[in-house]
Amino acid sequence: QSALTQPASVSGSPGQSITISCTGTSSDVGGYIYVSWYQQHPGKAPKLIIFDVNNRPSGVSDRFSGSKSGNTASLTISGLQAEDEADYHCSSYTSSDTYVFGTGTKVTVL
Amino acid sequence: QVQLRESGPGLMKPSETLSLTCAVSGYSISSAYFWDWVRQPPGKGLEWIASISHGGTPYFNPSLKSRVTISLDTSSNHFSLKLTSVTAADTAVYYCARRPLGYRDSWGQGTLVTVSS
Repeated sequence: QSALTQPASVSGSPGQSITISCTGTSSDVGGYIYVSWYQQHPGKAPKLIIFDVNNRPSGVSDRFSGSKSGNTASLTISGLQAEDEADYHCSSYTSSDTYVFGTGTKVTVL
Repeated sequence: QVQLRESGPGLMKPSETLSLTCAVSGYSISSAYFWDWVRQPPGKGLEWIASISHGGTPYFNPSLKSRVTISLDTSSNHFSLKLTSVTAADTAVYYCARRPLGYRDSWGQGTLVTVSS
């Protein structure tokens, strides 16, 4: 199974909005609601920030939002803050009853 | 509140078998959910390795299936991973995680495994 495609890096200034894409196929992202997003600061474990395409766990800022169109899922961070500088990973269930992660995106706050 | 903690050998030699354990506290692994292993090579992205259901049904990444075993120990409330014939390509931080369904809501802190001769 191939990793989902994410941009290697995305940057923005404080207060701006940025969007990270996660592109798969109809056998994964496009076929199921089980798309999730994780934030990972250096040296730390990943943290769940979006599940089932567009749901936020309790305690996660509403500046994080998720969506999906066709075979591409997206994570939007609005009102970018310095603490948002981290790596972001998407994940999807697949038709083979397996899971696949994205290639990962490094977010830089300018 | 559920907590997960990985334990592993740290340093290994090529061709050895990697054994990892994830100790779970605050939740009974036999109650519900799936229990996952995920790894991250240095400077790279995450890779799903395998899952096991609370009832003991395993699921594997096809690219690793031939080398992986996953198991539950409900008496000790932990689950384990074995990866045979390791090479330098298996050098990574290994994480265990709880998966309610399509997402992982709790993660261990990770354990670095280095394969080197």
